[in-house]
Amino acid sequence: EAQVTQNPRYLITVTGKKLTVTCSQNMNHEYMSWYRQDPGLGLRQIYYSMNVEVTDKGDVPEGYKVSRKEKRNFPLILESPSPNQTSLYFCASSTSQNSYGYTFGSGTRLTVV
Amino acid sequence: QKEVEQNSGPLSVPEGAIASLNCTYSDRGSQSFFWYRQYSGKSPELIMSIYSNGDKEDGRFTAQLNKASQYVSLLIRDSQPSDSATYLCAFYNAGNMLTFGGGTRLMVKP
Repeated sequence: EAQVTQNPRYLITVTGKKLTVTCSQNMNHEYMSWYRQDPGLGLRQIYYSMNVEVTDKGDVPEGYKVSRKEKRNFPLILESPSPNQTSLYFCASSTSQNSYGYTFGSGTRLTVV
Repeated sequence: QKEVEQNSGPLSVPEGAIASLNCTYSDRGSQSFFWYRQYSGKSPELIMSIYSNGDKEDGRFTAQLNKASQYVSLLIRDSQPSDSATYLCAFYNAGNMLTFGGGTRLMVKP
């Protein structure tokens, strides 16, 4: 089944404790992206990647890191999480052509206390 | 001005009626437009894409695009309670990012 897989689905952590949210897709997509969704603010792009070893900042990259060492994986790293990073996070992927929208993962609900 | 504007709603329609959702965008260079449906706590699901001016129909859904006026709309015919969700419009901006509107919450009442 074609899908984007994120893990974990739920995570509660403490301020300052480094964490990684994994994302993997099995559709051989070139584009991958991370979004966060907050009430009243909608979906905001954190980082995106057009291919292996190519990443770019989105609208809200502060406090996040990403890497794209393999085509299928695009992990999101929070080096020192803070409470304002409490949010619902989505990973998404697409083919390289802008004619297609993204396919989203199931989401990761992160709480930083 | 936001890149994508949607009325946040809620838009309430009775079961069986036509629901009309609207979206305006600022980037005249945009070529690809999308409608996503998102149930509460779930991920967005792509339901329609449209690239040319005019209408595109898929089952009970019709997307309408008017590039001159910079708006895109989604009509849902014979609305069902299961259509109750938040509908997000999106497009690729000049920076090649898929940009989303804030979404319109639709409530279909039995």
